[in-house]
Amino acid sequence: GQQVMQIPQYQHVQEGEDFTTYCNSSTTLSNIQWYKQRPGGHPVFLIQLVKSGEVKKQKRLTFQFGEAKKNSSLHITATQTTDVGTYFCAGPRTGKLIFGQGTTLQVKP
Amino acid sequence: NAGVTQTPKFQVLKTGQSMTLQCAQDMNHEYMSWYRQDPGMGLRLIHYSVGAGITDQGEVPNGYNVSRSTTEDFPLRLLSAAPSQTSVYFCASSSIGAGAYNEQFFGPGTRLTVL
Repeated sequence: GQQVMQIPQYQHVQEGEDFTTYCNSSTTLSNIQWYKQRPGGHPVFLIQLVKSGEVKKQKRLTFQFGEAKKNSSLHITATQTTDVGTYFCAGPRTGKLIFGQGTTLQVKP
Repeated sequence: NAGVTQTPKFQVLKTGQSMTLQCAQDMNHEYMSWYRQDPGMGLRLIHYSVGAGITDQGEVPNGYNVSRSTTEDFPLRLLSAAPSQTSVYFCASSSIGAGAYNEQFFGPGTRLTVL
């Protein structure tokens, strides 16, 4: 089964509201990556986190890697309709790169 | 620089037919992989390769074969198509650095329907 769990599966927000998706692993990850997939498109790389407790920002997006390197989050401040899509985390497991189930974000204008 | 290319974009098969999904990259990436995407299931790893001549199974390998004879190409073969293999298939590639996989570059996907 999925070894990298993401919650929630779906999120509907009003434009301007904040949004957060969480990624959890039962074991320590050496690094974690985040991707965005627009409807009908393919996943596109957003960022990679490597260090314990790391926080990185990209405009309205804030990415965090937990102190124990077992969880991560992506927070979007003041969502816009352009943020619509599915957000995936991915982590290395026994030589493979495993993706979470993704969180699909809908933004109501 | 075309990145990752996949063919075909769409395919309809009958149960029992076989076919090969093509994937090629021109970035000299060591790591290549195949994922299938189904509603609510995210991206599930089918097979992957860390270099020419090296392949290994992912999370859902049954019913699929792969080979990696060159760095550029990583075809996925469906041996005897089943309706459960109806899905969107993505190929991805990346370089490997410091023992970790770097940014994954995805192809545009192949939408496969098995009747």
